Amino acid sequence: EVVLTQSPGTLSLSPGERATLSCRASQNISSSYLAWYQQKPGQAPSLLIYGASSRATGIPDRFSGSGSGTDFTLTISRLEPEDFAVYHCQQYGSSPWPFGQGTKVEIK
Amino acid sequence: QVQLVQSGAEVKKPGASVKVSCKASGYTFTGYAIHWVRQAPGQRLEWMGWINAGNGNTRYLQKFQGRVTITRDTSAITAYMELSSLRFEDTAVYYCARGLAGIQALGHWGQGTLVTVSS
Repeated sequence: EVVLTQSPGTLSLSPGERATLSCRASQNISSSYLAWYQQKPGQAPSLLIYGASSRATGIPDRFSGSGSGTDFTLTISRLEPEDFAVYHCQQYGSSPWPFGQGTKVEIK
Repeated sequence: QVQLVQSGAEVKKPGASVKVSCKASGYTFTGYAIHWVRQAPGQRLEWMGWINAGNGNTRYLQKFQGRVTITRDTSAITAYMELSSLRFEDTAVYYCARGLAGIQALGHWGQGTLVTVSS
C-alpha cells in the first residue's frame, strides 16, 4: 500500500512569495493518478490538480503541479491572500486512495 | 450543477453505529462512483471506500473491513455510509465525494458530516 509523505508540515510565507510543496510516495505511482487538493478551515477539500500537472476547471495558472515516479511538487508562483490554506496530495485510480498528511501554508 | 448534500451531525456512544447519507443532484447518479473520506481532528484525510452507484459494487480500505458498509438507493439518488462498533477515535468529519467527468480525482464533495463518539 502506497504511503504519501508531504513536506514541509508548515510553510510560513508572505503574499507574493513562491510556495513549493512536496509529496513523496513510498513506491512508484503513475503520474496520471496524483491529485492535489486545497482545504480551508471548516470547508471540504477542493480539487486543484489532477494527473500530477493538469489544473482543474477554474484554477488559476499560478498553481502548477509536476513530478513523476515517487516525487511530486505543487508550486504556487505568487501567493495570494486566499491561497493560505492546507494542501493535500492523493493517489487515486486504484484502491486504496491514500492522502498525504497535508502541508499548511500560513502567513508569515 | 453537481451537488452532494449530506445528513446532519451525529453524536453516538461507543459501540453504536452511525449511518450518514449523501444525496446527489445535477447529474446521472448511476454514472459515477461515490467515495467516502473522513478527517479526524489533527489527522490526515482518510479514504474509506467507494461504491459504484450503477452496479452497487464496493471497495473498502482494509482497515475498515467488517465495520463499514457503503450502499446506495438509486430511486432516492442517495449513497450511505454506515460505520459500526464506533470508537472514540472514529470522531471525525465524514465526507462523500465524486470524481470529475472522465477523471477519477475527487472534484465534487459534500459539505461534511461531523460524527462525535462520546460516552
